[in-house]
Amino acid sequence: GDSVTQMEGPVTLSEEAFLTINCTYTATGYPSLFWYVQYPGEGLQLLLKATKADDKGSNKGFEATYRKETTSFHLEKGSVQVSDSAVYFCALRDDKIIFGKGTRLHILP
Amino acid sequence: EAQVTQNPRYLITVTGKKLTVTCSQNMNHEYMSWYRQDPGLGLRQIYYSMNVEVTDKGDVPEGYKVSRKEKRNFPLILESPSPNQTSLYFCASTPGGGTGSYEQYFGPGTRLTVT
Repeated sequence: GDSVTQMEGPVTLSEEAFLTINCTYTATGYPSLFWYVQYPGEGLQLLLKATKADDKGSNKGFEATYRKETTSFHLEKGSVQVSDSAVYFCALRDDKIIFGKGTRLHILP
Repeated sequence: EAQVTQNPRYLITVTGKKLTVTCSQNMNHEYMSWYRQDPGLGLRQIYYSMNVEVTDKGDVPEGYKVSRKEKRNFPLILESPSPNQTSLYFCASTPGGGTGSYEQYFGPGTRLTVT
């Protein structure tokens, strides 16, 4: 069945560092791919999405490119801030909606 | 404001005492679902509903019930709660019947403790 695998955390970086959180998926169809962010004490909210191969989603300085050949949707940001500290979830939507286990990110000032 | 609301936000209860967590959305979404979030396990889907009067089991349905009598409401019922149901619960909704490219909209969460 469909699945999403993302790198385990926690990930700890210094402010202004480059961020990559890896996400790979398996799917029989052509899913849409999402990154959600969960700030402390809050529900999940959409960060960005891509609906077809080679699409790039972007928001708040974060980017992810839908790579069909490597079945990946890695999240990147060039310069992280303390306010980016949160849990990040990769997800796909095909005939089902499936989430990865989440990656906790800590940014140190 | 478009939103998903859940009540209560926090609940402490005892084993065996029936409880209901309400969920309501004002976006006319067809698809609604319930998740639980536990450390190290991520989000696991409990039940989902593709439309009114249509519900189906997710990955961890044991010990839970749901109903979808109206499009906007999707309550989660624990008939006889047990300590292993202590968790953080999220309700979510999205347009469409399950497929498509739309994102999900999440409620703020309900932290349940069963003693």
